[in-house]
Amino acid sequence: GAGVSQSPSNKVTEKGKDVELRCDPISGHTALYWYRQSLGQGLEFLIYFQGNSAPDKSGLPSDRFSAERTGGSVSTLTIQRTQQEDSAVYLCASSPGGYTFGSGTRLTVV
Amino acid sequence: AQSVTQLDSQVPVFEEAPVELRCNYSSSVSVYLFWYVQYPNQGLQLLLKYLSGSTLVKGINGFEAEFNKSQTSFHLRKPSVHISDTAEYFCAVSKRGNKLVFGAGTILRVKS
Repeated sequence: GAGVSQSPSNKVTEKGKDVELRCDPISGHTALYWYRQSLGQGLEFLIYFQGNSAPDKSGLPSDRFSAERTGGSVSTLTIQRTQQEDSAVYLCASSPGGYTFGSGTRLTVV
Repeated sequence: AQSVTQLDSQVPVFEEAPVELRCNYSSSVSVYLFWYVQYPNQGLQLLLKYLSGSTLVKGINGFEAEFNKSQTSFHLRKPSVHISDTAEYFCAVSKRGNKLVFGAGTILRVKS
């Protein structure tokens, strides 16, 4: 696609439920990154994919967070048993070419 | 590990005045440097990047930045700002092919 696409754009979920966030990178981009943006925490790195492998998962905050990438393209970030502190905007970026970001998914846990 | 310090959390400036947003980084290896802009309720848009070569980098919307290796700085400048430049600006650094590390952001408020 022309840009990085993320879905849904907004998600409201109840505490304790699982959520899946999707990222569709720019076609041909081999590197994919997930970030989280929240008030007071700024932009936090979560995980990096090169192809389907994740050589850097150092930013995942707990074992409730997981991510996968299939076919070297679409990636899914899954948060299990959501907590209120998970409320944030989740951003995806792909590279090479300067790390192009999607518009993000705003997650609200109520 | 790399780190980025944006020296001002907020910068108020009058329309048509010049502005400089300051960014310092620390890294033990060569890095790539970036500035992104985020308008309210939108994603991050790349303003400009330094990968190698000329230390003066020109970007979109009339912004430019200068890479200063000795001072480990990458300050963003614009000679004349517009109301529409009101946004949050993020400086970021990466090792080649690695994750971006962001600064805390600087909110630019342009006043008429």
